[in-house]
Amino acid sequence: GQNIDQPTEMTATEGAIVQINCTYQTSGFNGLFWYQQHAGEAPTFLSYNVLDGLEEKGRFSSFLSRSKGYSYLLLKELQMKDSASYLCAVKDSNYQLIWGAGTKLIIKP
Amino acid sequence: GAVVSQHPSWVICKSGTSVKIECRSLDFQATTMFWYRQFPKQSLMLMATSNEGSKATYEQGVEKDKFLINHASLTLSTLTVTSAHPEDSSFYICSASGDSDSGNTIYFGEGSWLTVV
Repeated sequence: GQNIDQPTEMTATEGAIVQINCTYQTSGFNGLFWYQQHAGEAPTFLSYNVLDGLEEKGRFSSFLSRSKGYSYLLLKELQMKDSASYLCAVKDSNYQLIWGAGTKLIIKP
Repeated sequence: GAVVSQHPSWVICKSGTSVKIECRSLDFQATTMFWYRQFPKQSLMLMATSNEGSKATYEQGVEKDKFLINHASLTLSTLTVTSAHPEDSSFYICSASGDSDSGNTIYFGEGSWLTVV
């Protein structure tokens, strides 16, 4: 079967760095997405990785290793507004999006 | 950047009535649109995938006669919840993908809160 695993919940301190991991087992691979979702709102696109390596975009970076079926989202200089759920999703060989259950990130002052 | 607009944001309807939710891609042609529902504190659940000009593909367990999806143009898809019941109350979200300067990115609409009373 197809599976996306990410931690259910993480807690971090304002100003610190946090890494949210995502591992996947899918039938084929056509890209990995990270989305941010605040409670009661639709997801917002953060990043897209299709090749191995690190993609940096401001305070957020996303890393992909296709051989390991692994990605992480790195958030630096955490702010209170970063408290949200972070969703990992993989596009499989049929270009279907497989979603992880999301990681709830709690930021403490 | 690409924008997907969803309307209405909030809707309350009486049990037994139907309600339509629109999803529009504002600056790109969306060849494929996806409809999701999300219950509180749960992940997104894909309901159906619609391709412009063809019938939607529904996920297992989703009633096609209850959740009518129309994707008549490259910029508009609609979800109609027919004969709504209180258990249909949920957060419905559309997303769209297509050819844009964002490449393979899939963008979400703002979501629609449906409350059936």
